[in-house]
Amino acid sequence: GAVVSQHPSRVICKSGTSVKIECRSLDFQATTMFWYRQFPKQSLMLMATSNEGSKATYEQGVEKDKFLINHASLTLSTLTVTSAHPEDSSFYICSASAWAVSYEQYFGPGTRLTVT
Amino acid sequence: AQKITQTQPGMFVQEKEAVTLDCTYDTSDPSYGLFWYKQPSSGEMIFLIYQGSYDQQNATEGRYSLNFQKARKSANLVISASQLGDSAMYFCAMREGLTGANNLFFGTGTRLTVIP
Repeated sequence: GAVVSQHPSRVICKSGTSVKIECRSLDFQATTMFWYRQFPKQSLMLMATSNEGSKATYEQGVEKDKFLINHASLTLSTLTVTSAHPEDSSFYICSASAWAVSYEQYFGPGTRLTVT
Repeated sequence: AQKITQTQPGMFVQEKEAVTLDCTYDTSDPSYGLFWYKQPSSGEMIFLIYQGSYDQQNATEGRYSLNFQKARKSANLVISASQLGDSAMYFCAMREGLTGANNLFFGTGTRLTVIP
């Protein structure tokens, strides 16, 4: 199947700093990318949906000024956690879809963020 | 209302036996897709099987089959001949619409443990 990469796989940052997570579709053009967050022992919760070249659509309760999403090209979306706090520590997973050609969503391997 | 319900937080199965993981869903959209993912401790989401709402036959992929009962709105996953490597979290998910343009709604997951 299609490959989606995420970088970094793990990151530790200090409270108050910002961290950027990249999500790349390696062998297809992703018209839509999704960002999910998963707290320990919980399910995946959608944070936002981004379409290439347009602003992301955020889910209720997700602060768009804190979680900046950029989908500048058909193969790259970035999530920047600004002014991170310990409660932002979580597992962030992106998925990518080429919805015109496939029903599947392809997930990245996830990024584990720890804010100290 | 929850769109996806998984009522089994944990399940145990003997190696080489079959196991059924339950999933019910709720949607008023006549077009939808149902997915099952496996999440090992590494965190990656591994796609297992897909069933479209208009598919007449139950989906099968190797040892995985999806018992699709549309009237009951259930989409149970059956794993045959369980292996030790099947121990993981399993998530049922639904997408409204049949393309990849929309996000997935996830259930709370079932932790499967295969006993040798």
